[in-house]
Amino acid sequence: KAGVTQTPRYLIKTRGQQVTLSCSPISGHRSVSWYQQTPGQGLQFLFEYFSETQRNKGNFPGRFSGRQFSNSRSEMNVSTLELGDSALYLCASSSGGRDQPQHFGDGTRLSIL
Amino acid sequence: GQQVMQIPQYQHVQEGEDFTTYCNSSTTLSNIQWYKQRPGGHPVFLIQLVKSGEVKKQKRLTFQFGEAKKNSSLHITATQTTDVGTYFCARATNAGKSTFGDGTTLTVKP
Repeated sequence: KAGVTQTPRYLIKTRGQQVTLSCSPISGHRSVSWYQQTPGQGLQFLFEYFSETQRNKGNFPGRFSGRQFSNSRSEMNVSTLELGDSALYLCASSSGGRDQPQHFGDGTRLSIL
Repeated sequence: GQQVMQIPQYQHVQEGEDFTTYCNSSTTLSNIQWYKQRPGGHPVFLIQLVKSGEVKKQKRLTFQFGEAKKNSSLHITATQTTDVGTYFCARATNAGKSTFGDGTTLTVKP
């Protein structure tokens, strides 16, 4: 079974630009969660999508948004990029039930210049 | 809140020594999950504990869930260089959402 696939692996942007990250979950998984990982803040939950609906949301500003398609693939968009958005963005998939383990992709490393 | 606190933040050991990381919560946990992230890698699920006082083993790794379900620990016996990485505990707060501790980063000197 293929794992979680995230594209691109690396991205360099400048302040004010916007970016879209993509995540393909494990086949059969309907839940896709997004996390931001930085050295200072650890793993922070952004949001989770299940069956094309945002089911959970973290404490991030509205510049961070996402969506999920009918095939469970998900995209995350960040608008008006700030220097502080530089981070590793991790996507995780699960079957969607409570207490199910998260299966992470390799992440997209976003650098803002 | 629903945070989980992990200690220590860093641990440096000589190969062959034991290692323990602790995860604590001020509120009762319905479950605790443990993940390992190798340097440059992504978190990989190790195990989940759900029962009070539960103990599970994976080769040299022993996971415990406290009787009050407010704390958990991961113990590695006789560390090897392959054990290096950051170990996270996490609680599944809602379906599809996990709250992670800050992690314990383990380095092993050969």
